[in-house]
Amino acid sequence: GNSVTQMEGPVTLSEEAFLTINCTYTATGYPSLFWYVQYPGEGLQLLLKATKADDKGSNKGFEATYRKETTSFHLEKGSVQVSDSAVYFCALSNSGTYKYIFGTGTRLKVLA
Amino acid sequence: DARVTQTPRHKVTEMGQEVTMRCQPILGHNTVFWYRQTMMQGLELLAYFRNRAPLDDSGMPKDRFSAEMPDATLATLKIQPSEPRDSAVYFCASGLVPPATSSYAGELFFGEGSRLTVL
Repeated sequence: GNSVTQMEGPVTLSEEAFLTINCTYTATGYPSLFWYVQYPGEGLQLLLKATKADDKGSNKGFEATYRKETTSFHLEKGSVQVSDSAVYFCALSNSGTYKYIFGTGTRLKVLA
Repeated sequence: DARVTQTPRHKVTEMGQEVTMRCQPILGHNTVFWYRQTMMQGLELLAYFRNRAPLDDSGMPKDRFSAEMPDATLATLKIQPSEPRDSAVYFCASGLVPPATSSYAGELFFGEGSRLTVL
């Protein structure tokens, strides 16, 4: 079945450091891939998405590239800010099943 | 701004009591999901509906949980009787999911969650 594996947290970085959160997936067909972010006390919100191989999703300085050959969708940001502290979820969905599968989430803490 | 609305935001109840959580999806969305979030299990899919019809509720404990969509503007998740292990944050999410012939699965919009504590 479909699954998403993302790196364990928490990840603690200093402000302006480079961020990578790894995400790999297992899926049949050609899923859409997503990164969602959850700030304290809030629901998840979409950060970025990619719908086909080699697509790059980007938003708010975050980027992730859909790599079919390595079944990966790693999240990166060149310079993190304290306001980026949150939990980040990798997710996939196959349009045929309408089911969205989420990873376990990675907590990011950015120190000033 | 269109958004998913969940009530109640917080609920504290005693073991054995009935709990009902409600969700108003974004108008026009055709798919509604219920997720449960805990520290130990992360985000678990409990049930989801497309065009108000239940598609999959295999993630839900059938003996005590039930999910319904009485109309397009309301989804409910009921626990009866509640147990301490049901303590969690319950999220509702809605989306406009295209037909299976489309290659793109649309994004989900989440509510702020209902935090349930069962004593």
